[in-house]
Amino acid sequence: AQRVTQPEKLLSVFKGAPVELKCNYSYSGSPELFWYVQYSRQRLQLLLRHISRESIKGFTADLNKGETSFHLKKPFAQEEDSAMYYCAPLVCGNTGKLIFGQGTTLQVKP
Amino acid sequence: DAGVTQSPTHLIKTRGQQVTLRCSPKSGHDTVSWYQQALGQGPQFIFQYYEEEERQRGNFPDRFSGHQFPNYSSELNVNALLLGDSALYLCASSFGQGANQPQHFGDGTRLSIL
Repeated sequence: AQRVTQPEKLLSVFKGAPVELKCNYSYSGSPELFWYVQYSRQRLQLLLRHISRESIKGFTADLNKGETSFHLKKPFAQEEDSAMYYCAPLVCGNTGKLIFGQGTTLQVKP
Repeated sequence: DAGVTQSPTHLIKTRGQQVTLRCSPKSGHDTVSWYQQALGQGPQFIFQYYEEEERQRGNFPDRFSGHQFPNYSSELNVNALLLGDSALYLCASSFGQGANQPQHFGDGTRLSIL
């Protein structure tokens, strides 16, 4: 079954500390992988996607096919990074279908 | 460009009633997907519309149905509402069906069933 696991419901760090939000997926194919973010009172928006290998707002995500993980990292957290983060593989095939994890709330304390 | 727009913002219904939610995709997008987000959970895929046809469906009963119009806008219909249907319903649009296409989300419709 296609499944996404984000083991931490809440991650609390101090400003300037490194951040790693964990994501593990189970899918037999090779999904395209995304991280979506939802800031307070804003809509869900794309943070980054694996295929573009870009860094957005200082965040990067490395795909580890052996561990089927796609953890999101940032070396120095900022208060404005406080938000809900969702890992979402896009199931390939004839149609695109995002499978979301339960999400991790990142709280960056001053 | 206003992006994806959904209406109404909030809706209150009673058990057994029927509801229709609406979505206009981002300009240039032709594919619409619907998601249900229960409180404290991630969004769950309901179905996707492309070229006015339902292309893929998640694990939702037939009470959930939809439609896509020639202008790419879409409706989600839910019949015989249950208390468990209370959730935020999100619409997402993208260009072209299939993988590797980022989906852009609307603000959602908050549906409450009494």
